[in-house]
Amino acid sequence: AQSVTQLGSHVSVSEGALVLLRCNYSSSVPPYLFWYVQYPNQGLQLLLKYTTGATLVKGINGFEAEFKKSETSFHLTKPSAHMSDAAEYFCAVSGSWGYQKVTFGTGTKLQVIP
Amino acid sequence: EAGVTQFPSHSVIEKGQTVTLRCDPISGHDNLYWYRRVMGKEIKFLLHFVKESKQDESGMPNNRFLAERTGGTYSTLKVQPAELEDSGVYFCASSPPVGSGRVGSYEQYFGPGTRLTVT
Repeated sequence: AQSVTQLGSHVSVSEGALVLLRCNYSSSVPPYLFWYVQYPNQGLQLLLKYTTGATLVKGINGFEAEFKKSETSFHLTKPSAHMSDAAEYFCAVSGSWGYQKVTFGTGTKLQVIP
Repeated sequence: EAGVTQFPSHSVIEKGQTVTLRCDPISGHDNLYWYRRVMGKEIKFLLHFVKESKQDESGMPNNRFLAERTGGTYSTLKVQPAELEDSGVYFCASSPPVGSGRVGSYEQYFGPGTRLTVT
């Protein structure tokens, strides 16, 4: 069984400030971890993913996340927020035996204040 | 290549009516998934097709929901009769065949979703 917990349904940051979105997961098997973003009136877009190898993964638009097995965490960060980052972000997990269903967190809406 | 497409983008129906949602996966993707997000809650898995076969339908909420994928191409999700609690956004996703070695083999590509409102 797998589950994802995202801390904070709404996060506000000032433009130029650090973005930190928290995600903790639970998985009975080695996980694949994902961050998806949904911009208003658009579908889900993959930001980044961890499968194997390097635990610090870089994604699109300057985002990165670090897989910490000991903490069962996969927090998303971006050094400097931009207005265009305002969106809803979803952390997700799947089993590492490919093509399994993805389990999502409840999402975090990011507001960027000018 | 074209992405995953879903039709319609929005649907408003009355309780008791029938609605059919359609998903066209990326060409060549054997795996097709349906997910649903009820307002304010997480996106939840409904089912997974491999070609035309249902691989996992453990997330289907009840027998009012029927998913088909004839010919292993596009898929439809029918809700009959619709209830108020069926309102939400229905997402479709697809991924390449197992062991294909294609870029993004373990990534599911999502469509824009269909927003269903049952009144």
